[in-house]
Amino acid sequence: QKEVEQNSGPLSVPEGAIASLNCTYSDRGSQSFFWYRQYSGKSPELIMFIYSNGDKEDGRFTAQLNKASQYVSLLIRDSQPSDSATYLCAVKSWGGGNKLTFGTGTQLKVEL
Amino acid sequence: DGGITQSPKYLFRKEGQNVTLSCEQNLNHDAMYWYRQDPGQGLRLIYYSQIVNDFQKGDIAEGYSVSREKKESFPLTVTSAQKNPTAFYLCASRGTEADTQYFGPGTRLTVL
Repeated sequence: QKEVEQNSGPLSVPEGAIASLNCTYSDRGSQSFFWYRQYSGKSPELIMFIYSNGDKEDGRFTAQLNKASQYVSLLIRDSQPSDSATYLCAVKSWGGGNKLTFGTGTQLKVEL
Repeated sequence: DGGITQSPKYLFRKEGQNVTLSCEQNLNHDAMYWYRQDPGQGLRLIYYSQIVNDFQKGDIAEGYSVSREKKESFPLTVTSAQKNPTAFYLCASRGTEADTQYFGPGTRLTVL
């Protein structure tokens, strides 16, 4: 059973701070890793993906991947109240269908 | 505008009824997916289709059926055999960059 684990939170950070969201996965054959943001009552929207070890930056967001530790994280710099949402980690493993396995998400609250 | 549409946004069903959820995309994506999301849980895969006239069961296919007669369309039928159909249903299609999945706005189904 392929598993993706996230702390459900809520994770509370003050406005302007760095929010750090973490995700671990069980399948060593995992190839690609995705972060989605989901506002309450809405569908997930892609923030970014990563498939190579190291860091990948896109604006205020940085994804970090460590395949040896089976760990992927998302850093949000200069957190804004509009970043308050649930962040879903998804992992694509080797195999048919290019299926994604999702974590249950971490709720982030950015406080004024 | 390119994107994924789902209809209806809200759907109410009486016990014993079959209902069909619509999903349409104009992104020219080959693969499409149906997920179910329950409160506090991650997305769970119901069915997916990698090409027209072909589809495979996901992790929780019991009580659901699909068809893929056109590239643009992947409707999901929730049958009376599905014991707990109340949930948020999300349709996705897969792009070519890193096999990223993009989501439609979702249909919220409630059984009365």
